[in-house]
Amino acid sequence: DAGVTQSPTHLIKTRGQQVTLRCSPKSGHDTVSWYQQALGQGPQFIFQYYEEEERQRGNFPDRFSGHQFPNYSSELNVNALLLGDSALYLCASSFRGSGANVLTFGAGSRLTVL
Amino acid sequence: GENVEQHPSTLSVQEGDSAVIKCTYSDSASNYFPWYKQELGKRPQLIIDIRSNVGEKKDQRIAVTLNKTAKHFSLHITETQPEDSAVYFCAASKNSGYSTLTFGKGTMLLVSP
Repeated sequence: DAGVTQSPTHLIKTRGQQVTLRCSPKSGHDTVSWYQQALGQGPQFIFQYYEEEERQRGNFPDRFSGHQFPNYSSELNVNALLLGDSALYLCASSFRGSGANVLTFGAGSRLTVL
Repeated sequence: GENVEQHPSTLSVQEGDSAVIKCTYSDSASNYFPWYKQELGKRPQLIIDIRSNVGEKKDQRIAVTLNKTAKHFSLHITETQPEDSAVYFCAASKNSGYSTLTFGKGTMLLVSP
């Protein structure tokens, strides 16, 4: 079991550009959550996908959008990048039927905006 | 929404000592409290969790205690080892609907040989 896999691992963009990050959940998991982790901070919840729909959203602007595919994989899109979007983006998967937020994290995609 | 406060932000101990990290939460409906360990450059990994129907849970050298009345929970690590050095995050969530984890800001634990 490969666990949660994310791509790319690192990327550099300039202000105003757009980025797409990808996530494959752990086998058996059906829910994907995305978190932003700024340097020296705890993960901040962006949104959660289940059954291909956004179910919960944190305090992030509409520039942040996502998608979940029928195979449970997910994408995070960020438009009009700002310097402050530089962070580690973590994908976490879980199984809704477990009854609790037992998250398994991926290794993250480190985004640098110049 | 839920707010989780964690302290201390940094904790330095000698190998063999105990370490305690404390968290408070604001939403009395929260009932699931996990702890994650994140080594430098690596993913957060779940090390222990506790649910609100339990006051304490142990797993070898680590333990977590929960006081629902006071809305705080703590991580205890005994006989610390250099490989325990990492950032530890507490989190809280409800166990209903499409609930999500709210994390504390983390504690950097440094264990000196």
